Amino acid sequence: EAGVAQSPRYKIIEKRQSVAFWCNPISGHATLYWYQQILGQGPKLLIQFQNNGVVDDSQLPKDRFSAERLKGVDSTLKIQPAKLEDSAVYLCASSPVRGSDTGELFFGEGSRLTVL
Amino acid sequence: AQSVTQLDSHVSVSEGTPVLLRCNYSSSYSPSLFWYVQHPNKGLQLLLKYTSAATLVKGINGFEAEFKKSETSFHLTKPSAHMSDAAEYFCVVSFNYGQNFVFGPGTRLSVLP
Repeated sequence: EAGVAQSPRYKIIEKRQSVAFWCNPISGHATLYWYQQILGQGPKLLIQFQNNGVVDDSQLPKDRFSAERLKGVDSTLKIQPAKLEDSAVYLCASSPVRGSDTGELFFGEGSRLTVL
Repeated sequence: AQSVTQLDSHVSVSEGTPVLLRCNYSSSYSPSLFWYVQHPNKGLQLLLKYTSAATLVKGINGFEAEFKKSETSFHLTKPSAHMSDAAEYFCVVSFNYGQNFVFGPGTRLSVLP
């Protein structure tokens, strides 16, 4: 089966500019996650969707970050305006519906953002 | 609140020698526990998971981990390291069966020839 797809793989922008990342989860996976991984640290959850509803966005900096998951499939994460400290890899992951949940996350390869 | 501690930020072993990567957790609930591996410029991949069945869990590539409730530990081991094992390893705790995954800070494993 096809894995989690993310784009772009790399993005370089200047501070105060905006950027958007796209994620296509594994077909049929109801839960979608966006994680931020700063160099040398473990991934930190930004937002979790169940179908197209938000389950947890408590760590999302809502003054500059936004995310949506239209129709419960693809998702977009946007940063506007970007700050230097937003330089990180943004990871998208998905997992199956809860009724048959394996408890496993399936990750994409990530989108590496550099803010200059 | 849940948290994960990985006691070593970097572990270096010689090829063919045993690997031990340590993980301790805190959770108010019965946890699910996972080890993920991240090779350079690759996505995170599940190595193994514990979800309240057998306490000794076997994973891919010869790795295994033992859940010890009394010690709140879930250490990852491998009898003999291979060069291809060099990567970043993350211990992950979850409650509510697959929701609310919390990652540890990671341990970088180096394997010397």
